[in-house]
Amino acid sequence: IAGITQAPTSQILAAGRRMTLRCTQDMRHNAMYWYRQDLGLGLRLIHYSNTAGTTGKGEVPDGYSVSRANTDDFPLTLASAVPSQTSVYFCASRGPGANVLTFGAGSRLTVL
Amino acid sequence: QQQVKQSPQSLIVQKGGISIINCAYENTAFDYFPWYQQFPGKGPALLIAIRPDVSEKKEGRFTISFNKSAKQFSLHIMDSQPGDSATYFCASTNAGKSTFGDGTTLTVKP
Repeated sequence: IAGITQAPTSQILAAGRRMTLRCTQDMRHNAMYWYRQDLGLGLRLIHYSNTAGTTGKGEVPDGYSVSRANTDDFPLTLASAVPSQTSVYFCASRGPGANVLTFGAGSRLTVL
Repeated sequence: QQQVKQSPQSLIVQKGGISIINCAYENTAFDYFPWYQQFPGKGPALLIAIRPDVSEKKEGRFTISFNKSAKQFSLHIMDSQPGDSATYFCASTNAGKSTFGDGTTLTVKP
């Protein structure tokens, strides 16, 4: 089934630890995005990539980094996790010429 | 600066009633306005979308009303059902970048 796969589904992490959230899509979409969802704050863009080899900062990029080595994969790394990064993280992609996003199922991260 | 304001934050409707969620945007460069539906434990999924050159779009029980001059658009769910209980996000898009409202949690009581 075409779509976006995120891993892990859920993770509890000690503060200060490094964590990488994985995102893989099989739709050959050029654009990919990472959002965090917090209650009452909606979906906030962390980083994006318009095509393989390029990345850009979104609304809340501090504490996060991304890479886009190929079309399919777009991992999000927390170099040193802090409790304020406790959230649900969604990876999304957008096909060429499209105006809507396809989302993964999310990764719930708890930083203690 | 919040570019897309969504209201209400939560909404409770009786089965068979009409659910109405409103959004207002600021940036006139936005050129596409989708609504996403999110069930617990799932990612948001496209529900219905509209371009600014039309005032209304209907798909089944779901209708978007769009007022370009007021920079407002709304989602109407007719004959609301318990299965419609979910979180709804409006979005405004320009050049592939989407700005989301804060979401509305809809509960439809049987």
